[in-house]
Amino acid sequence: EVQLVESGGVVVQPGGSLRLSCAASGFTFDDYAMHWVRQAPGKGLEWVSLISWDGGSTYYADSVKGRFTISRDNSKNSLYLQMNSLRAEDTALYYCAKANYYDSSGYMDYWGQGTLVTVSS
Amino acid sequence: AIRMTQSPSSLSASTGDRVTITCRASQGISSYLAWYQQKPGKAPKLLIYAASTLQSGVPSRFSGSGSGTDFTLTISCLQSEDFATYYCQQYYSYPPWTFGQGTKVEIK
Repeated sequence: EVQLVESGGVVVQPGGSLRLSCAASGFTFDDYAMHWVRQAPGKGLEWVSLISWDGGSTYYADSVKGRFTISRDNSKNSLYLQMNSLRAEDTALYYCAKANYYDSSGYMDYWGQGTLVTVSS
Repeated sequence: AIRMTQSPSSLSASTGDRVTITCRASQGISSYLAWYQQKPGKAPKLLIYAASTLQSGVPSRFSGSGSGTDFTLTISCLQSEDFATYYCQQYYSYPPWTFGQGTKVEIK
């Protein structure tokens, strides 16, 4: 059974930093690309970032480019999102999601339960 | 970026009803479209990919159709567990991967 468990969400001040983690199990982690998707309170889904199976390719939404960094450690079956220069508009539930393919193509076939990031003074 | 527009934004229906949700892409996306279901407080769940292919384990009352710019998600006989918000998403041209704004299916 595919499981994705996010952690690291907390309340942080504007301008602060945070690292989210996603622990994956139930599938061969290094065979698949991985996404981060966020959902602001009461709002829809917004794609944030993708990393390919080997970390060789990364993509970012314009809203986070230059502030967020996605990475992965295939030896630990883990995905990360380093978030710097946080803004109030980054407040959201952050989901990690498994891609259905090894590279950037495809959809998201499994999702974690999310971790809540609140940016507030 | 490709913009995805869903209609309606919300609808009220009764158990047993046939429900149709529409998703329109701002440019052609072939059949590179997925549908997700999200229940309150839960993560999104993949229902359909490639516009019309049912994900394993998804009930057959769900179906998808369309290609190019216009797509539909149909629930043939609405069940109580189907009351949720539904999102379409394109994976034809990226980044970004883009979602529709969602359609909330509520109990009439």
